[in-house]
Amino acid sequence: QVQLQESGPGLVKPSQTLSLTCTVSGGSISSGGYYWSWIRQHPGKGLEWIGYIYYSGSTYYNPSLKSRVTISVDTSKNQFSLKLSSVTAADTAVYYCARGEVYSNAFDYWGQGTLVTVSS
Amino acid sequence: DIQMTQSPSTLSASVGDRVTITCRASQSISSWLAWYQQKPGKAPKLLIYKASSLESGVPSRFSGSGSGTEFTLTISSLQPDDFATYYCQQYNSYPLWTFGQGTKVEIK
Repeated sequence: QVQLQESGPGLVKPSQTLSLTCTVSGGSISSGGYYWSWIRQHPGKGLEWIGYIYYSGSTYYNPSLKSRVTISVDTSKNQFSLKLSSVTAADTAVYYCARGEVYSNAFDYWGQGTLVTVSS
Repeated sequence: DIQMTQSPSTLSASVGDRVTITCRASQSISSWLAWYQQKPGKAPKLLIYKASSLESGVPSRFSGSGSGTEFTLTISSLQPDDFATYYCQQYNSYPLWTFGQGTKVEIK
C-alpha cells in the first residue's frame, strides 16, 4: 500500500520561502509511470495543482505559480520536495502531495495534507 | 486555460436517492476526466478516472459518464457515508490539471 506523508513548517513569514517534503513509502519514486505532484487547497476552497516531478527529474509547473515554484526529488530517500518563494497570505493553504498515474492522469494516492499559514 | 464548471454547487438529498453531478469543460478534454470525494479534514479520494472507469475498491453505486465537454457522476443510491464534497478534475491541456469548484452533497 503506497503512502505519502508531508512534512515541513506550518508557519512561514511573508516574503520567505515555503519548504515541504513528501516521503513516499510502499512504493519507489524511481519505478516510473507516475507524476509526483503537489496540490494545494485554500481554506474552504477548491483544489489547485501546483506542479509535478517525474522520477527522471523532469518537472512541470502550473504557469500561475511557475516563477516561484521549484520541485525536486531525492530518489535515495524516496522523497520529493516543494519550494515556493516570496510567499504572501494568499499562499496560506493545505498542501497535499499526491501520486498521479501516467495511465489515467488521475491522482490515486494522496498525503494527509499539511496546513501552511503565512503570517508574521 | 480550460475551465471546469460543476453543477450544482450544493445538493440536498436523502439516503437512497439517486444523485447526479455535472461537470462541464470549457473545451474538449476527450475522456480525461476524474472524480474525487473529499470529506472535511481529509484528502480527496479518487472515485472515477478516464470519465467512466471505477477506481479499485470504490463501491459500484458510483458511476461516471461523458466525453468531450460534458460529464456526470452518478450515485445510484445515496448512502450515509456519501455525504461529502465531490470534485471533477481534467487532464488535457495547459496547465495540465485543473479541478472543478466542487459540489457539496448535504443531508436533506
